[in-house]
Amino acid sequence: DGGITQSPKYLFRKEGQNVTLSCEQNLNHDAMYWYRQDPGQGLRLIYYSQIVNDFQKGDIAEGYSVSREKKESFPLTVTSAQKNPTAFYLCASSEARGGKQPQHFGDGTRLSIL
Amino acid sequence: GQNIDQPTEMTATEGAIVQINCTYQTSGFNGLFWYQQHAGEAPTFLSYNVLDGLEEKGRFSSFLSRSKGYSYLLLKELQMKDSASYLCAVIPSGTYKYIFGTGTRLKVLA
Repeated sequence: DGGITQSPKYLFRKEGQNVTLSCEQNLNHDAMYWYRQDPGQGLRLIYYSQIVNDFQKGDIAEGYSVSREKKESFPLTVTSAQKNPTAFYLCASSEARGGKQPQHFGDGTRLSIL
Repeated sequence: GQNIDQPTEMTATEGAIVQINCTYQTSGFNGLFWYQQHAGEAPTFLSYNVLDGLEEKGRFSSFLSRSKGYSYLLLKELQMKDSASYLCAVIPSGTYKYIFGTGTRLKVLA
């Protein structure tokens, strides 16, 4: 079955450490997205990518970095510059570049500070 | 600016009907989505509206008025499993960014 796989499910970060969250999709979708969700809040866009080797900052990109070297993969690195990284991180993908298609979400990664 | 508003919480009784409203102000409009999200899980797609009117899918219906910047999600014959957050998302025109509201937490009581 096609879908989006995020790993790990739970992740702990030490102070000063960079950590990378994995997102892989086999839906052949062009667009991929990373969101952050804090308790009781909606989704805030961190980065998005419309095509391989291209990505754009979302609303809260500071302290995060991404790469899009392959269509299927869009890893997110939470750097030490992100001072409040504890949150639920969701990766999503969609079919068409111009929107109008629903996003499909992975199961999420819950990141906490040690 | 771009803004989406939804009520924070709603409570309803099993078997009843509930309407969850969403108002938006965006630079152009390319469609509105409703998602359901159970606690600790990923959002799942419920409906998409791009033209004015009502879209029905079983117990769930979604309505859109573009002139008023307004949508609602109607849930009929509520079941306990419908207790979840319901997220409204809009795609402004000329972009493929999805702008999400903060979500409405629905509690269904027996």
